[in-house]
Amino acid sequence: DGGITQSPKYLFRKEGQNVTLSCEQNLNHDAMYWYRQDPGQGLRLIYYSQIVNDFQKGDIAEGYSVSREKKESFPLTVTSAQKNPTAFYLCASRPGEIDEQYFGPGTRLTVT
Amino acid sequence: AQKVTQAQTEISVVEKEDVTLDCVYETRDTTYYLFWYKQPPSGELVFLIRRNSFDEQNEISGRYSWNFQKSTSSFNFTITASQVVDSAVYFCALSEKGGATNKLIFGTGTLLAVQP
Repeated sequence: DGGITQSPKYLFRKEGQNVTLSCEQNLNHDAMYWYRQDPGQGLRLIYYSQIVNDFQKGDIAEGYSVSREKKESFPLTVTSAQKNPTAFYLCASRPGEIDEQYFGPGTRLTVT
Repeated sequence: AQKVTQAQTEISVVEKEDVTLDCVYETRDTTYYLFWYKQPPSGELVFLIRRNSFDEQNEISGRYSWNFQKSTSSFNFTITASQVVDSAVYFCALSEKGGATNKLIFGTGTLLAVQP
């Protein structure tokens, strides 16, 4: 089955630790995105990648880092510099220039 | 600047009622795209519809219908004969054609609760 997978569904970390969220897609989509969702708010763009080995900062990139070494993978690292990392993180991909984005199931990160 | 406003934070209806979710957008571009997504309790966003700025025809898909009016910058979503399974958060989003990112600007969402 084609789709986007994110693992794990729930993630718990201690403050001060870096953590990497996985996002994999087998849809052969070029563009991939990371969003953050906080309670009662819409999605905010963290990073995006239009093509392998290239990525750009979104609206709230501070405290996050990404890599895009393979077309199907776009992992997000939440660093200790991110002041409020507890949130729901959604990964998405897009097949073409004007098409809609398709989302993975999300990872809920809790940092204490 | 681009902006999407969903003024209705929460709506509660009884099953079989019709319900309309409002979406108002702001953009300076003449070419843009509007989207609706559904987020059920599981968390994954499900794509519902895309509409481009040159196509103002209303669209109907089963119990779902969308009313796009450029004159009022609105893209409202109506569910007819609502069902409990329609309970979810619904997001309206905007994307500008020609932007390098095809970034989606999301509204804050409307939580729809359909009571049996």
